[in-house]
Amino acid sequence: EPEVTQTPSHQVTQMGQEVILRCVPISNHLYFYWYRQILGQKVEFLVSFYNNEISEKSEIFDDQFSVERPDGSNFTLKIRSTKLEDSAMYFCASRNRDREPLHFGNGTRLTVT
Amino acid sequence: TQLLEQSPQFLSIQEGENLTVYCNSSSVFSSLQWYRQEPGEGPVLLVTVVTGGEVKKLKRLTFQFGDARKDSSLHITAAQPGDTGLYLCAGEHQGGSEKLVFGKGMKLTVNP
Repeated sequence: EPEVTQTPSHQVTQMGQEVILRCVPISNHLYFYWYRQILGQKVEFLVSFYNNEISEKSEIFDDQFSVERPDGSNFTLKIRSTKLEDSAMYFCASRNRDREPLHFGNGTRLTVT
Repeated sequence: TQLLEQSPQFLSIQEGENLTVYCNSSSVFSSLQWYRQEPGEGPVLLVTVVTGGEVKKLKRLTFQFGDARKDSSLHITAAQPGDTGLYLCAGEHQGGSEKLVFGKGMKLTVNP
């Protein structure tokens, strides 16, 4: 069964550094998402992306965050200047049509020191 | 802000016991999804319910969506150690928003 793949599985970075988290959504999917889960807390929505543009974003997704679909397969999340509180699991998700269930990747654990 | 409250948050039971997990909100959702999450992995979809009062069965798991589409329950019959994991409910709000609102989850441990 096709799956969403994320790399790396674990990223350690120093505060203030830029990080790029990578995702390969399921190939025929059109809607792409990033969620995050701080340790011990709820999974939180960050951003949705459709038709090469952001369709919705949360208050967490400030100017330090950006997303890109540079080619037909990758979907990336960039954090320009990481903060300690950005430490979390970041999950990429995709779906084929609006209102269909989401398929999640296994996440990237980001640790900011 | 739509909130989904899950209860209980933790449950440790013996193999063979039954259990029910609740997911409650004051908001109406167009659909509600149940996921299971293993440590170090992403949420894996178990079921989606969309119609008020809907009941879906997945082997020993029974899912129900409340009549008003504000709450849901997951009942597991004769729990097995393999059922151990984190069970998450997530709702999709009516209207234009695409985001899923997640509950905090119920960590289930089934002891052999």
